[in-house]
Amino acid sequence: QKEVEQNSGPLSVPEGAIASLNCTYSDRGSQSFFWYRQYSGKSPELIMFIYSNGDKEDGRFTAQLNKASQYVSLLIRDSQPSDSATYLCALRGPLSGRRALTFGSGTRLQVQP
Amino acid sequence: GAVVSQHPSWVICKSGTSVKIECRSLDFQATTMFWYRQFPKQSLMLMATSNEGSKATYEQGVEKDKFLINHASLTLSTLTVTSAHPEDSSFYICSARFMQGSYEQYFGPGTRLTVT
Repeated sequence: QKEVEQNSGPLSVPEGAIASLNCTYSDRGSQSFFWYRQYSGKSPELIMFIYSNGDKEDGRFTAQLNKASQYVSLLIRDSQPSDSATYLCALRGPLSGRRALTFGSGTRLQVQP
Repeated sequence: GAVVSQHPSWVICKSGTSVKIECRSLDFQATTMFWYRQFPKQSLMLMATSNEGSKATYEQGVEKDKFLINHASLTLSTLTVTSAHPEDSSFYICSARFMQGSYEQYFGPGTRLTVT
């Protein structure tokens, strides 16, 4: 079982709709969770992070964390074609120390004009 | 957010030569930096963890003698690809991390290496 699981997609949504991206993880001791966006040919860009159960909103983005069910999601409201990218879920494990974040393989989002 | 720079952004070199890539954290100190490689349409692959003032930790399967990492200061880490071959052609991305708070990682813009 992978530590971080994401559906590779593509997830296709019409412009203006809500895009829902999901991520599950295996280690219950994971502490912090991150969403990155990566455009084709570019490096990942941090969108937001969350470490407490519940929702965290930042503009059109909302991260949701449910530690009991071991999932974290990212909602993008009013999706725009410019949101079309690969979205990477990452987490900091319980014994991360100086280790890198653990990344999922990403979900490709396509927003149709 | 924090800014991480990389230089060069792209490089073309001949097979057998060495290439050095620099990664700098511009507005924060990073005792730990990470080097990734990404092939087209594939996931990020962590190559090594670079710790300031100590030896790098390499992931399984990554040749430490081929990919030399130096982290001489709190804001600079370098990756040298030695005796490059065409199969080393890839997108190399560094990342620096806050060592406090939520430990988020910030990525440099990446270096596209092409070995001919």
